[in-house]
Amino acid sequence: DAGVTQSPTHLIKTRGQQVTLRCSPKSGHDTVSWYQQALGQGPQFIFQYYEEEERQRGNFPDRFSGHQYPNYSSELNVNALLLGDSALYLCASSLRTGSRETQYFGPGTRLLVL
Amino acid sequence: GEDVEQSLFLSVREGDSSVINCTYTDSSSTYLYWYKQEPGAGLQLLTYIFSNMDMKQDQRLTVLLNKKDKHLSLRIADTQTGDSAIYFCAERDGQNFVFGPGTRLSVLP
Repeated sequence: DAGVTQSPTHLIKTRGQQVTLRCSPKSGHDTVSWYQQALGQGPQFIFQYYEEEERQRGNFPDRFSGHQYPNYSSELNVNALLLGDSALYLCASSLRTGSRETQYFGPGTRLLVL
Repeated sequence: GEDVEQSLFLSVREGDSSVINCTYTDSSSTYLYWYKQEPGAGLQLLTYIFSNMDMKQDQRLTVLLNKKDKHLSLRIADTQTGDSAIYFCAERDGQNFVFGPGTRLSVLP
């Protein structure tokens, strides 16, 4: 049973560019959440997707957008990259129904913006 | 908004017990979680506790919850060098999790 997978593992971009990160949830999970983890900090919630729609959003600008496909996989897009967007981007999957929802995390994509 | 706080560093000797503490603000949190992050890796779920419980034990891990004081702790018995990592406390806020800054545990031989 594959866990949460993310691609790519590492990425280097320059300021102003755009980036797309990908996530495949754990088998049986239908909800995908994205987090940004800056160096030395805890993960910060970006947004969550369920049934192909953004359901909840954290305090991130519109430059951060996403998508969820019918197979539950998800993408995170960041436009007009800033140096401060350099971070580890974590995807977490869960099953929405039930109060015992637990999130399982992927290994992350490390983004460096130069 | 919700806030989760943790001490940033903890050093223990191999074989000793480690206690990592956390305070949270959202009294409506139904579940509280502990995650472990090793260098260069994602977050690994260690354990979680339901808010109507005071204690949960899972092998070397013991979670204590003081709901009145909004204080959560993780005790690791017989700490090993492989336990060296960053430990994150998290509470649920609706459909997303709010994480603390993480406690870096160093295990000395």
